[in-house]
Amino acid sequence: SYELTQPPSMSVSPGQTASITCSGDKLGDRYACWYQQKPGQSPVLVIYQDSKRPSGIPERFSGSNSGNTATLTISGTQAMDEADYYCQAWDSSTALFGGGTKLTVL
Amino acid sequence: QLQLQESGPGLVKPSETLSLTCTVSGGSISSNSYYWGWIRQPPGEGLEWIGSVYYSGSTYYNPSLKSRVTISVDTSKNQFSLGLSSVTAADTAVYFCARLYGSESLPLTYFDYWGQGTLVTVSS
Repeated sequence: SYELTQPPSMSVSPGQTASITCSGDKLGDRYACWYQQKPGQSPVLVIYQDSKRPSGIPERFSGSNSGNTATLTISGTQAMDEADYYCQAWDSSTALFGGGTKLTVL
Repeated sequence: QLQLQESGPGLVKPSETLSLTCTVSGGSISSNSYYWGWIRQPPGEGLEWIGSVYYSGSTYYNPSLKSRVTISVDTSKNQFSLGLSSVTAADTAVYFCARLYGSESLPLTYFDYWGQGTLVTVSS
């Protein structure tokens, strides 16, 4: 079965760039999206169709998808960006989520 | 502004059926461009898609849960519902409802609006 793999955790210093990866077989052949989830809250869509930002999402969030890897990049990371991030894609009409990456800003 | 609100029992006994309803406000569930879905998250774990329904009644289910899941839509009430049968402790989770961009003629893509989630505990 198809799987999406993310690193469980990563840390970044304030003001630096965070790059969170999501790996899957030929992932670049399908659309990927990304969600941000803070403790006790619902997920929020931050990137859809590989690289598009919904209204209200800061420009520091960007995305790319090629080959076997989709990447969420947060430029100039802020303390408020500390959260869990999940990638999501579809395979044979089944929605799949990555395991999530806990981003720590310190 | 579109809003989704989950409702239903917070405690379900093992072997019984979990039933939840999602009420949509600020928009029509009969929109041509959207499915409506259920996603769950066990405590401390990641997200798992359960299934999605179109206003016509067309459904997609997670193969791992398909034998126990029923998702239906009531356009007159602007609601859609989840039924999960034969529950066990492993079904304890926060259950979210969400809007899914896609249709019977468009590819299924992303969940753009989410409810606040409701915790369902399976315990005797």
